[in-house]
Amino acid sequence: NAGVTQTPKFQVLKTGQSMTLQCAQDMNHNSMYWYRQDPGMGLRLIYYSASEGTTDKGEVPNGYNVSRLNKREFSLRLESAAPSQTSVYFCASSEQEAYEQYFGPGTRLTVT
Amino acid sequence: AQSVTQLGSHVSVSEGALVLLRCNYSSSVPPYLFWYVQYPNQGLQLLLKYTSAATLVKGINGFEAEFKKSETSFHLTKPSAHMSDAAEYFCAVSDDYKLSFGAGTTVTVRA
Repeated sequence: NAGVTQTPKFQVLKTGQSMTLQCAQDMNHNSMYWYRQDPGMGLRLIYYSASEGTTDKGEVPNGYNVSRLNKREFSLRLESAAPSQTSVYFCASSEQEAYEQYFGPGTRLTVT
Repeated sequence: AQSVTQLGSHVSVSEGALVLLRCNYSSSVPPYLFWYVQYPNQGLQLLLKYTSAATLVKGINGFEAEFKKSETSFHLTKPSAHMSDAAEYFCAVSDDYKLSFGAGTTVTVRA
């Protein structure tokens, strides 16, 4: 039982490049979330998926897109990376909305 | 929308001393409340949760938290700090479809 897994662990992009962050959970959870964590700002919700087939914007969705590929997988795409998107990205899942969430190990992204 | 306030962005304690981390939330309706811990370069790990059962909640690693509705607080304590408790701690509250997180409190433990 791996819990929540994320790939890659580290990534460096140049401004304007695109990439997709992958997330998978093996707990049969319905809800999945993408956060970014920046120093002094805590965790900010980018997008979430309440259940398979649905996605919704969180607090800071600009510059990102998501896909809930199936119940297990939820990916985050940066179409044209900007230095302001340098951050640590966490994926999380929960049995239902507003229940306790379980987090992946994070992806550390640097955009130069 | 809910909000969470964690008093003190940094707390320094001596090994063996009491750890007290403060959290206040904004709702008048008892929500679900959580404490998470984040060790360096890792994801967040659930320490404990309050879901309207007992007001004193015990978690992992000797931590506990007390829900006080009259004070809208959910403070985290540990009687005796250990070096391994050095980490960042986040309080969170259920907020409609999601969790709202506080800004975090970094704990350092002095030998």
